[in-house]
Amino acid sequence: AQTVTQSQPEMSVQEAETVTLSCTYDTSESDYYLFWYKQPPSRQMILVIRQEAYKQQNATENRFSVNFQKAAKSFSLKISDSQLGDAAMYFCAYTGAGSYQLTFGKGTKLSVIP
Amino acid sequence: NAGVTQTPKFQVLKTGQSMTLQCAQDMNHEYMSWYRQDPGMGLRLIHYSVGAGITDQGEVPNGYNVSRSTTEDFPLRLLSAAPSQTSVYFCASSYYKSGGLGEQYFGPGTRLTVT
Repeated sequence: AQTVTQSQPEMSVQEAETVTLSCTYDTSESDYYLFWYKQPPSRQMILVIRQEAYKQQNATENRFSVNFQKAAKSFSLKISDSQLGDAAMYFCAYTGAGSYQLTFGKGTKLSVIP
Repeated sequence: NAGVTQTPKFQVLKTGQSMTLQCAQDMNHEYMSWYRQDPGMGLRLIHYSVGAGITDQGEVPNGYNVSRSTTEDFPLRLLSAAPSQTSVYFCASSYYKSGGLGEQYFGPGTRLTVT
């Protein structure tokens, strides 16, 4: 079974600074998809970014970008110019191509310091 | 579009009681799923469905039943509630594109407490 590991249970960042959240995964598949989801205090799960493993180019979405290292099975999320609204739980998730299951990491709680 | 809706938002049950958590989506998604979220555990897949009449188990299916009679609805049944089922439950839906799951759209969640 695939596993997703987020080694930082909590992190903090100063407003306007940059922070990187780490995620590693274990898989024997060559084709798969990786996601970062944000869960603010409202509890609503929101997709931040999606990466397809066969694409070499790292996905970006405004202030959010990923560093996808396929050989190292690493998928970190970089948040630039951090804002107070970025404070949330962040979950990394994996699904194999052809799979019907999404596997989540345990999450990283990000605090933003004004 | 309402997206994914869940009812109720909060529920308290006594051990042994049964109940159904409702989930509906209006995006014509083939794929629907249920997760539970526990502190420090992330989200874990309970059951999923790839279309009306088709369901399968996820990582933590014990104690839960599902059925899918329509594309829109995917209820989750707790047959005999136990304190270990105290959790926040999320329903999600997505398209299933060739090659894999699309973006998951999540409902607002149901906080369930079993005493």
